[in-house]
Amino acid sequence: TQLLEQSPQFLSIQEGENLTVYCNSSSVFSSLQWYRQEPGEGPVLLVTVVTGGEVKKLKRLTFQFGDARKDSSLHITAAQPGDTGLYLCAGAQWTYKYIFGTGTRLKVLA
Amino acid sequence: EAGVTQFPSHSVIEKGQTVTLRCDPISGHDNLYWYRRVMGKEIKFLLHFVKESKQDESGMPNNRFLAERTGGTYSTLKVQPAELEDSGVYFCASSQDAIQALHFGNGTRLTVT
Repeated sequence: TQLLEQSPQFLSIQEGENLTVYCNSSSVFSSLQWYRQEPGEGPVLLVTVVTGGEVKKLKRLTFQFGDARKDSSLHITAAQPGDTGLYLCAGAQWTYKYIFGTGTRLKVLA
Repeated sequence: EAGVTQFPSHSVIEKGQTVTLRCDPISGHDNLYWYRRVMGKEIKFLLHFVKESKQDESGMPNNRFLAERTGGTYSTLKVQPAELEDSGVYFCASSQDAIQALHFGNGTRLTVT
């Protein structure tokens, strides 16, 4: 069974700090997505990356897809309390069936 | 546009009872998915509809689960009879094309006691 391991599982930081969340697998993915989920809601898509080595930026968030398309990272600059939530990566292998990662629960303290 | 809506938001039933979850996808989205997260585990794929047809139901746990999408609009997921291990959050998602971004509903939290 393919598995997307995310690290760290939990992260608590102060407002203004930077952080990086990792999503790793031994499998190759045709595309990888990052979602953020808040309590009582469904995951909300942040970004999709499809090319090995691709870097995408969304305001203070920077997403990178590994060259071999087996891993990805999410970097947040100057974290804010509004960034608090559960961050999920999800990979697809040339199909519609997305495999979700184990999740990183981020808490940003004011 | 209205998002994906799921009903009910919470359901508490006893072991052996039947529960039916409903999902209304975004209008015009042919692709509808059911996912589930059980306690402490990652979100897992259950099945995929394209319009009214089941494209892939390889993630369905067993034959106590039945999903339908009559007319290619809303979908239902019935669990009969429910077991304790069925407890979790059931998410529905829809997309315009199969590989596009999934739009998730807020989920139904099912508790089987």
